[in-house]
Amino acid sequence: EAGVAQSPRYKIIEKRQSVAFWCNPISGHATLYWYQQILGQGPKLLIQFQNNGVVDDSQLPKDRFSAERLKGVDSTLKIQPAKLEDSAVYLCASNLAGGLSGELFFGEGSRLTVL
Amino acid sequence: GENVGLHLPTLSVQEGDNSIINCAYSNSASDYFIWYKQESGKGPQFIIDIRSNMDKRQGQRVTVLLNKTVKHLSLQIAATQPGDSAVYFCAEASRYTGGFKTIFGAGTRLFVKA
Repeated sequence: EAGVAQSPRYKIIEKRQSVAFWCNPISGHATLYWYQQILGQGPKLLIQFQNNGVVDDSQLPKDRFSAERLKGVDSTLKIQPAKLEDSAVYLCASNLAGGLSGELFFGEGSRLTVL
Repeated sequence: GENVGLHLPTLSVQEGDNSIINCAYSNSASDYFIWYKQESGKGPQFIIDIRSNMDKRQGQRVTVLLNKTVKHLSLQIAATQPGDSAVYFCAEASRYTGGFKTIFGAGTRLFVKA
């Protein structure tokens, strides 16, 4: 079974530029999550989708971050304009909507460096 | 607000010894408590979970203990191996209609000395 796919793995941009990350969840997983992980910290939930609807985006900085999952499968996370503090690893995760424990399956992440 | 934290940021153990990683949580309404392992350059990987109505669960070389009285969670790793070196996160998952919301703690880095 293929895991969660993310791209690009690494991205370096200058502040005020824009960047987009892509995620393809495990086939059949209705729930998709984007987490931000700053170096030395635990993952912080940015947005959670159930199929193509947003379940929770309370911690998404909506003035600069946006995310979509138009067809309920893959998803993109965009940052525009980027700030220095956005340097982090952006992790995508998925799981079955009716899963027993909420076990999350993570991709390898997209590491963003903002200069 | 919701908070999942850890007592120790780093833990160093001798290969073959047992490891105990601790976690404090604040949301008593969580349905599950989960441990994840994260190796360098990779995403977190599920290790073991425990339902909120249980106090102990065992897996292969790992045991999770839940003490709801003091809101404490621990992960015990038996016969720690070099491959266990990683950052370990506790997380709490709360069920909503159709899924779960998962909040992570800050993590403990485990070093295994050969």
